[in-house]
Amino acid sequence: QSALTQPASVSGSPGQSITISCTGTSSDVGVFNYVSWYQQHPGKAPKLMIYEVSNRPSGVSNRFSGSKSGNTASLTISGLQAEDESDYYCSSYTISTTLVFGGGTKLTVL
Amino acid sequence: EVQLVETGGGLIQPGGSLRLSCAASGFTVSSNYMSWVRQAPGKGLEWVSVIYSGGSTYYADSVKGRFTISRDNSKNTLYLQMNSLRAEDTAVYYCARGPRVGAISFFDYWGQGTLVTVSS
Repeated sequence: QSALTQPASVSGSPGQSITISCTGTSSDVGVFNYVSWYQQHPGKAPKLMIYEVSNRPSGVSNRFSGSKSGNTASLTISGLQAEDESDYYCSSYTISTTLVFGGGTKLTVL
Repeated sequence: EVQLVETGGGLIQPGGSLRLSCAASGFTVSSNYMSWVRQAPGKGLEWVSVIYSGGSTYYADSVKGRFTISRDNSKNTLYLQMNSLRAEDTAVYYCARGPRVGAISFFDYWGQGTLVTVSS
């Protein structure tokens, strides 16, 4: 149950687009379309941003989008805003019938 | 409105036991899959356990054999019984709700978390 691999940090200026990668294996990301993304502000509970690779829950801005290619999933945030500065985590279902999270990525809006 | 409220955290000595509760409102815990997810101080999220609507349960290797997830339908409450606690179990524990069907893939509602500190 090794954690999915995410970059420790990414940054971008307001208005720009950034992409956060989430690399797994053929036992999780590569075999299931059960990748989700969460935003977590300091001291707060995670918030679901994307589920099943590319679906957005009601109320989440369409500036957030998700995709997957092979063993790597990606979260793209377009039109960066100051409020997007946060920690982001990916997760995936695994062939072991468990769930695994990524290590998290800190997004800084410059 | 869906709400999840965790209680039961606190300071416990290594080797001790603790039971966390997650009171749900706005939906029925037995209708959805429910999980516990923890976060050690300054660290990332770690999935702990799931209980499906049918009652099947699964655990992360790190807690298997020590933790037990359960629910009380009459109280609409999810539990996590934690035994043989170790220092590395120190974390904020969140309960989280998944959809009614399918494998554990995402959580649309989370509680505010309860802190468990394992230390002598």
